Amino acid sequence: EVQLVESGGGLVQPGGSLRLSCAASGFSISSYWIHWIRQVPGKGLVWVSRSKSDGIETAYADSVKGRFTISRDNAKNTVYLQMNSLRAEDTAVYYCARDHDWYPFDYWGQGTLVTVSS
Amino acid sequence: QSVLTQPPSVSAAAGQKVTISCSGSRSNIRKNYVSWYHQLPGTAPKLLIYQNDKRPSGIPDRFSGSKSGTSATLGITGLQIGDEADYYCGTWDDSLNAWVFGGGTKLTVL
Repeated sequence: EVQLVESGGGLVQPGGSLRLSCAASGFSISSYWIHWIRQVPGKGLVWVSRSKSDGIETAYADSVKGRFTISRDNAKNTVYLQMNSLRAEDTAVYYCARDHDWYPFDYWGQGTLVTVSS
Repeated sequence: QSVLTQPPSVSAAAGQKVTISCSGSRSNIRKNYVSWYHQLPGTAPKLLIYQNDKRPSGIPDRFSGSKSGTSATLGITGLQIGDEADYYCGTWDDSLNAWVFGGGTKLTVL
């Protein structure tokens, strides 16, 4: 069974850091792009970042560029999102989702809540 | 302000048909495939349509997608109460080098 499980969310002060993890099972992430997408409760979906299957090619939304870093460990079948210099506006539920050959986001994790507040 | 424009809400009676529009530009919808997702409160989004008009296995043929130029449309026939959800369109934007979503459309089944 294909599963994506996010972890690492929590409460952090402005300017702080968090590292989110997205652990995959039932498939190998080495064949998939993996994306991070966030959603403020009650609001719409906002794309954050993506990592190509080989882990070399990445992309980021302008709002997080220079602060967030996506990485992956294909051996552990896990993708990470290192979030630095966090701001209140980064508060959201963060989902990871997989993507393959224009079959985007067929599986999503359950999400992990990140709250940036003093 | 989302890069892709969707109506905030649509409504229709049970059993009827509804369409949800998604308007973009040359750098996103015109150039790339569009996908659609629906999301029930408190749950992760679910893929409904990919590559403009294809349905994943398990998605009933009541759901359909189309694309023309810089716009895409999701159609739902035979509306059911269980279809009440938020619906999002999405695609890659070549100019932004980013995935973009519509702002979402809340479907109410009367």
